[in-house]
Formats: sequence, C-alpha cells, structure tokens
Amino acid sequence: QQQVKQSPQSLIVQKGGISIINCAYENTAFDYFPWYQQFPGKGPALLIAIRPDVSEKKEGRFTISFNKSAKQFSLHIMDSQPGDSATYFCAAAFRGAGSYQLTFGKGTKLSVIP
Amino acid sequence: GAGVSQSPSNKVTEKGKDVELRCDPISGHTALYWYRQSLGQGLEFLIYFQGNSAPDKSGLPSDRFSAERTGGSVSTLTIQRTQQEDSAVYLCASSLGNIPNQPQHFGDGTRLSIL
Repeated sequence: QQQVKQSPQSLIVQKGGISIINCAYENTAFDYFPWYQQFPGKGPALLIAIRPDVSEKKEGRFTISFNKSAKQFSLHIMDSQPGDSATYFCAAAFRGAGSYQLTFGKGTKLSVIP
Repeated sequence: GAGVSQSPSNKVTEKGKDVELRCDPISGHTALYWYRQSLGQGLEFLIYFQGNSAPDKSGLPSDRFSAERTGGSVSTLTIQRTQQEDSAVYLCASSLGNIPNQPQHFGDGTRLSIL
C-alpha cells in the first residue's frame, strides 16, 4: 500500500525527443506527488510537484500528468537535452505518524544522446 | 552555508564497528529527515525531526540505528555494530516545515561501505 511503482528502470532518448517516465500508486491517502532529479554523486533535487486536484502541471520543458482514477502520474520532458541525463525519482507523500513522509519510486536512469 | 551539508562524504569501516554520520541543515529549517539509498533502489525514509517534537522513528530498520538532533540544528545518525547490508548512501534533507509544499532540500549524502 505504501509502494510507488516507477517505470521504466532506464530510458534512452535522442536529443530533442520526449522522455516519459511513469509512476503508479495504491494508497489513496497520498496527496502530494513530487518528482526529483538526481545527478551522480549529488543529492536529489525537487524538479516539479503536483497535488491530486490538478490533472496537469507544466514548468518549462517539464510536465506532470496526473490521473487520479487510475492512480497514475507521469513526467514528460519535452525537447530532451543531454544535460537532462540523470536519475529521476517520483514520490508520493501522505501524513503518517504525525508527519508527511515521502515514499519514493526506485528511479529511472535517463540518458539523452546527442 | 547555502545548502544541506553532510559529513563525511565517504566512510569505509569494518563490519561490527559503530559509525556516526553528520548533517548540517539549511539555517532556519525546522524539519530534518534522514533517508537511505541503496544501489538501484529508491530512497528509504529513516527518521524525521520537527522542531522540539519527538522524532518520527518509524523508518528505522533496526535498533542498531539511532539519530539525534541537538539544539534543533545539527543531526547525527548513528549505526551500531554495522553489518554489510548497511552499505548505502545516507541522505539528509531539511525543509522549512513538514507540509507538502515546503520542498525537502537534500545534501549530497554519505557513502557508507562496510567491509
């Protein structure tokens, strides 16, 4: 119930293409869905986040699509660039034991090739 | 400092030894989190501190793991009698408060290797 399932595990996209990463969850108590970007040797950094009352959120080349009935959400990276090559984690938060806890997917390693 | 600072960046120790990992959160951040990231896995929540409240220890995997936060700032994660399965990157994050729209800012982690 606490899991967030992320796919694919790895993704190779050509420069200028669209990268799509998908996540699914079971726990309907989740009410906040952030995406994090992590470069090798660095900590994750918040990229974009969405609440379940919104079906889509766009920030620059990054868009989250959210399907509440299907309990799925996805990250789209438009016009993918080599600098986007990183590991991306989806996450979901719920209030448990008095605090908001983030449950992370296992990550997608994105490689954007020139 | 401008960001979350963790030390050491790398730690190699022998099985059975105790280790201490340190986290300096962003100044003014009241919430502090510890996570564990194993190879090929996502981030696993360990423990959370908010101000002077009792910590949320629900993610600690065993009683060999403990953490404290002194003066509402610096935090130390201690692993006693380390085992090989403790090898991972330990990440610390801080945020202004424990509500969803206050993003968690992560340090670069401590890479712990147990021989």
